[in-house]
Amino acid sequence: NAGVTQTPKFRILKIGQSMTLQCTQDMNHNYMYWYRQDPGMGLKLIYYSVGAGITDKGEVPNGYNVSRSTTEDFPLRLELAAPSQTSVYFCASSYSFREKLFFGSGTQLSVL
Amino acid sequence: DQQVKQNSPSLSVQEGRISILNCDYTNSMFDYFLWYKKYPAEGPTFLISISSIKDKNEDGRFTVFLNKSAKHLSLHIVPSQPGDSAVYFCAASVDSGGSNYKLTFGKGTLLTVNP
Repeated sequence: NAGVTQTPKFRILKIGQSMTLQCTQDMNHNYMYWYRQDPGMGLKLIYYSVGAGITDKGEVPNGYNVSRSTTEDFPLRLELAAPSQTSVYFCASSYSFREKLFFGSGTQLSVL
Repeated sequence: DQQVKQNSPSLSVQEGRISILNCDYTNSMFDYFLWYKKYPAEGPTFLISISSIKDKNEDGRFTVFLNKSAKHLSLHIVPSQPGDSAVYFCAASVDSGGSNYKLTFGKGTLLTVNP
């Protein structure tokens, strides 16, 4: 079982560029999440989804967009990248809100 | 406003001894708590959880204690092993009902277990 797979693992963007972080899970989880972790900080929720076609904002959604067209995939779109978006991004999934999260291995993003 | 606080950024213990990682929270509505472990260049992995209806939960070498009156929980690792060296995150959730998701993470504590 692959679990939660994120691509790419590393990326450097220039200010103003856009990109999509890919996330796919093979556990048939309805719930999926995007977190960011800044150095020395905890994980902050960006967006989450409770099923295909349903998404909602987390704590820090500004500058990001998501879509959920299938149960398996939950891509995160960065529009007009800014240095403040330099972070490590983690995708996660779970069977339900109260169940443990399964995380991907992360994407290290630098915006220069 | 940091609702989940892990006040010790790091902790160093000897192999075989007990490791105690602490977590304080301010939101009295939190009713479910989890600990995650994170190795460098990997995503966090679930370790253990506890519901607010309990005050203790054990899983092998790992035990989580919850003191609701003090809004404090702790993770005990006995005996500590070098492979336990990682960042440990405390997380708390509140059951807001429906699809309103709320899970808050602390900043993490780096545990180093010395051989």
